Formats: sequence, structure tokens, C-alpha cells
Amino acid sequence: GQSLEQPSEVTAVEGAIVQINCTYQTSGFYGLSWYQQHDGGAPTFLSYNGLDGLEETGRFSSFLSRSDSYGYLLLQELQMKDSASYFCAVDMDTGRRALTFGSGTRLQVQP
Amino acid sequence: DGGITQSPKYLFRKEGQNVTLSCEQNLNHDAMYWYRQDPGQGLRLIYYSQIVNDFQKGDIAEGYSVSREKKESFPLTVTSAQKNPTAFYLCASTVASGRTGELFFGEGSRLTVL
Repeated sequence: GQSLEQPSEVTAVEGAIVQINCTYQTSGFYGLSWYQQHDGGAPTFLSYNGLDGLEETGRFSSFLSRSDSYGYLLLQELQMKDSASYFCAVDMDTGRRALTFGSGTRLQVQP
Repeated sequence: DGGITQSPKYLFRKEGQNVTLSCEQNLNHDAMYWYRQDPGQGLRLIYYSQIVNDFQKGDIAEGYSVSREKKESFPLTVTSAQKNPTAFYLCASTVASGRTGELFFGEGSRLTVL
């Protein structure tokens, strides 16, 4: 089976840096993705880590450590528009080619 | 512009009725997916299809059915056997050949059972 754990809520102020952690337990693992979802909207893809290390895309970075079954999303220079839910998702190395999502972290950015 | 179109955006259903949610994509993607999202929760996989005329059950397939007769279309039927169908339904697609972890989502269909 598989499970992903991430904090339910995080609060930060504009301009700050915030890290959202994701730990996973899965029988097989191929990579870790991150998605952003604003209230009432569709999830949008942010990043994917297929290998250990840091991936940087503008203000967002994502990190993966396979040995620790752990990853995180780092958001820098926070803006009010970053207030949203963030989901990690696992691509399992099995015959099933579909992502399994965590329950999400609600980020609230305050002025 | 390429994308995924889901319809209807909002749907109300009486108990005991079947309802079909439409999902159409013009991205030329092979793989398509249906996820269910409940308030404050993550996405749970209902069904997925890697190729036309083939589909597999996800984690919560009971009470749902799908078809994949065309590459562009992957409709989901919520049957009366689904005990708690009120939820936000999301359709997604991706290129099956690569493993980039990137799904493209439609805007979702919000189903309410009265």
C-alpha cells in the first residue's frame, strides 16, 4: 500500500519563505510531484522530482530524498496569491501509472 | 488552445439517479484519469485509462463506471450504487509515454445529491 503525510495547514507572511513537507510510505516509488490548488479551482502542476536533490522553478523549489522517503516544497518571496492548498503526489513504480495524492496542506499568506 | 473540458460544471441529482460527467481533451494525450475530491481532502483515484478501449479501476471505483471509446473522451457515470456521490470530480490527462509526474486537469464538475 501507500500513504503520504503532509501538514494540514501552514501560515506565513508576505515575503517570507515557507517549507511544506511530505513523507511517504509506498511499496514502490518512481517520483514525487507537487500541485497547487486555489479554492474551487483545478490543481495545477508545480514540479516533479524523479531523482534525489533540488529542482528549482522560479520562486518554487522542490526537494526529494529517496533514502528518507521525504520531500518538500519550498516557496520563497511569498505573495498573497500563493494562498492555496498544496498537494504532494507519488508516482509509484508499479503497473498502475497514476498519481496518488496526499491530503494537502492549506497555506495562508498574511500581509 | 489545447486543454481539458469538463461538463457540466455544476450538477444536481436526486437520489437513485445515474448521472454522467463529460471529459474531453484535445491535447492528444493517451492517458486519462478521474479523481474525486471531498471538502478539505486530497484527490482519490476512481478510474484511469492508458489507451483507447481499455481502463482500470482506481482506489474508489465502486458505484462508478467509465468508457474510453475515443482517445479524446473519457466520460464518468456516477450510478445509484454510489452511496455518497456529493463531491468535486476532476478529470485529468497526461502523455503516457513519459513519467514526468505532470497531470493536466479540467476545471472540475461539482455534483450535489439532493
